[in-house]
Parts: sequence; structure tokens; C-alpha cells
Amino acid sequence: GQQLNQSPQSMFIQEGEDVSMNCTSSSIFNTWLWYKQDPGEGPVLLIALYKAGELTSNGRLTAQFGITRKDSFLNISASIPSDVGIYFCAGQTNNDMRFGAGTRLTVKP
Amino acid sequence: EAQVTQNPRYLITVTGKKLTVTCSQNMNHEYMSWYRQDPGLGLRQIYYSMNVEVTDKGDVPEGYKVSRKEKRNFPLILESPSPNQTSLYFCASSLSEVRGDEQFFGPGTRLTVL
Repeated sequence: GQQLNQSPQSMFIQEGEDVSMNCTSSSIFNTWLWYKQDPGEGPVLLIALYKAGELTSNGRLTAQFGITRKDSFLNISASIPSDVGIYFCAGQTNNDMRFGAGTRLTVKP
Repeated sequence: EAQVTQNPRYLITVTGKKLTVTCSQNMNHEYMSWYRQDPGLGLRQIYYSMNVEVTDKGDVPEGYKVSRKEKRNFPLILESPSPNQTSLYFCASSLSEVRGDEQFFGPGTRLTVL
């Protein structure tokens, strides 16, 4: 089955910088989700988006559901060392859920 | 505490030696699934279960079996593991059907097949 195209694959940034990552697909999804995976742990949900055009924030995180329903982005503002991890996007329609390959974020103090 | 548990967390085995990875959830969730995570590929679904005694193939089911005899448990069975099944495995559960916003993941099982 088709996975999502997530970019960038990895990012190395300084503490305090803003981060942006995105996911695209050739298919339409009804829900877009963003997860974070800490080392040695399973993914944990950060933000869920349910409507095209929706912009949702969770603290320093902001995510948007693309108008075409084929893409989404996640922004992290003023990064801190604990933001380190792998960020996954996921698109869902009915019983079908697809994941991006992940963006590995490294934050240098 | 609501959680999904997996055992073992780490396993090194040899080709052909049958193994089982257990998964248990204490949230009375009906839907459970298994994923494998490989570098550059993200998470891919292996099998899922909508309820007790109801299982179905995901995207990459070859070489795996599952069973769902009780609602809380969903073991993943590798009858004859091969090196290409070396991966990080995650069990997940949600209340009913796959709901990404309600899906809880286990901590993962890192499997190495020599």
C-alpha cells in the first residue's frame, strides 16, 4: 500500500529555532495526524486534524490540514532539546491509515 | 494506568526458530493491530483485529500470524523468522476500528533475526 511522502528526512537545528516539516500524498484523507516517537518508545499523538483547511495548535506545535486534503504540515516554534525525536505524519480514511517515513529531529543546545 | 504492553522488548534469534511477541491492552479496546517500523519506510501495518476472533491482513502480512482469542491480547507469531523480519514492531489498540486520534501504541519490540 502507498505510504505518505514526508520531508525532510532529518533536521539538525539549534535550540530556539523554528522547525517545519510536511507530508504529501496522491490520495485524499479525511483525517491527518502527527505523532512523535521518543527513543525506545512508541509513537504518541501530538495533533489530530479533521477538516480541510483546519489549523490547530498544541503549545509550540501548529499543524494544518491542506485544502486539497492531500497534504499537511507541522511547525514547531522555539525548539527545545526535548523536542528531539522522530515525527510521523499519518493520513486516515475510514479503516485505512498510512504513515510517513518520519522526520528525525536533532536539537543542539 | 491505561497502556499497551509488549513482550519481549528486545529479542535476538536465529532463522527458522519460531517466536511469539505478546501484546496486551487494559483499555477494553476492540481494535488492535501490529506494525513494523523500518528506516525510511515509517510504520507499515502487518495485521489487525476488529474484535475477538476477527483478524485481517494489513499491508505486509507475509511471514506473520496473529490470533485474537481474548479481547485484551493480540500476539504476533513468526513461525519461521527470516533476516528480513529484523525490525522494530509496535502493537496498537483503539476503542473501535482504526481511529488514529484514539490509537495507543505499545513501547515496541526490537527483533533481530540472524
